[in-house]
Amino acid sequence: EPEVTQTPSHQVTQMGQEVILRCVPISNHLYFYWYRQILGQKVEFLVSFYNNEISEKSEIFDDQFSVERPDGSNFTLKIRSTKLEDSAMYFCASTFTGVGYTFGSGTRLTVV
Amino acid sequence: AQSVTQPDIHITVSEGASLELRCNYSYGATPYLFWYVQSPGQGLQLLLKYFSGDTLVQGIKGFEAEFKRSQSSFNLRKPSVHWSDAAEYFCAVGASDDSGNTGKLIFGQGTTLQVKP
Repeated sequence: EPEVTQTPSHQVTQMGQEVILRCVPISNHLYFYWYRQILGQKVEFLVSFYNNEISEKSEIFDDQFSVERPDGSNFTLKIRSTKLEDSAMYFCASTFTGVGYTFGSGTRLTVV
Repeated sequence: AQSVTQPDIHITVSEGASLELRCNYSYGATPYLFWYVQSPGQGLQLLLKYFSGDTLVQGIKGFEAEFKRSQSSFNLRKPSVHWSDAAEYFCAVGASDDSGNTGKLIFGQGTTLQVKP
């Protein structure tokens, strides 16, 4: 069964550093998403991406965040200057139709 | 705005007992509804989904859920729980705006299921 692949599975970074989280969505999918889950809390929407542009973003997704689909297969989330409160599990998801996603297994980001 | 409420933060059941996890949503139209399961340190696995049609939907691992529009509920059930079902369960609704489905999911707070031997 096709999978959404996320790398790395765990990343530790120093506060203020830039970090890039990588995702390889399912190959024929058209809609791409990032979500995050702070430890012990619910899963929160960050951003959706369709047709090479952001279609929706949440209040969390401020100027420190950006997304890119650089080569038609990868989908990346960049955090420009990490803060302690960015520590969370980040999930990538993709879908062909815009509903019913497949989630990746997540990247645990720890900011120290 | 759409929202999802899972009233039970933590539930403990004995192995072999039946299970029902509650989910209520706030939504103006016919919602897209989902249940996901998350084992510790793992990603989100889709158990089942409801888009339209038969209001009783079957999912993986023996789970089912029933959409009740009158109660704005989408409760998850399993007739006989196994120890491996211990995990966190999230209900989610597909959000929409005036132009229709946006693709964004809104999640509930989650219910942690503990299974006693």
